[in-house]
Amino acid sequence: EAQVTQNPRYLITVTGKKLTVTCSQNMNHEYMSWYRQDPGLGLRQIYYSMNVEVTDKGDVPEGYKVSRKEKRNFPLILESPSPNQTSLYFCASSGNSNQPQHFGDGTRLSIL
Amino acid sequence: SQQGEEDPQALSIQEGENATMNCSYKTSINNLQWYRQNSGRGLVHLILIRSNEREKHSGRLRVTLDTSKKSSSLLITASRAADTASYFCATDDQAGTALIFGKGTTLSVSS
Repeated sequence: EAQVTQNPRYLITVTGKKLTVTCSQNMNHEYMSWYRQDPGLGLRQIYYSMNVEVTDKGDVPEGYKVSRKEKRNFPLILESPSPNQTSLYFCASSGNSNQPQHFGDGTRLSIL
Repeated sequence: SQQGEEDPQALSIQEGENATMNCSYKTSINNLQWYRQNSGRGLVHLILIRSNEREKHSGRLRVTLDTSKKSSSLLITASRAADTASYFCATDDQAGTALIFGKGTTLSVSS
């Protein structure tokens, strides 16, 4: 089954404690992207990757890092999380940036 | 950078009625997509319409695109309670590197 898998689905943690949200896709997609969704603000892109070892900033990259060492994986790293990063996060993948994107089920992060 | 803006923000209808949602955008596009999101879940792609197309159908969904007005509409016919969700339009950015999502229309269909 074609899918995008995110882990964890839920996480409550404290300010400053490094965390990683994993994202994996099994569709051999070149394009992957991370979004955060906040009430009243819609989906905003954090980072994207056009292919392995090619990543770039989206609209709201501050406080986040990503890597793309393999085609299937695109982890999101919060080196020093802060409360303003409390949000619902989505990973998505597609053949390229203009094609329909497949979304994961989301990761709800709470930073206390 | 927000490209698409949906209207209305919220819509409540009865089962069997049609639901129409609109999307306006600012710059030229290659295509426009509509997505659906059930509460707290990931977005699901519904339909893609290219800039040279004016109308597209998929089941009970009908999408129109007017590039001269920079607007699109999504019509859901004979709505069902299961159609209750948020609906987003998304357009490609000018650099061709990202999809830009609107803030969505929340549709409630009551039985």
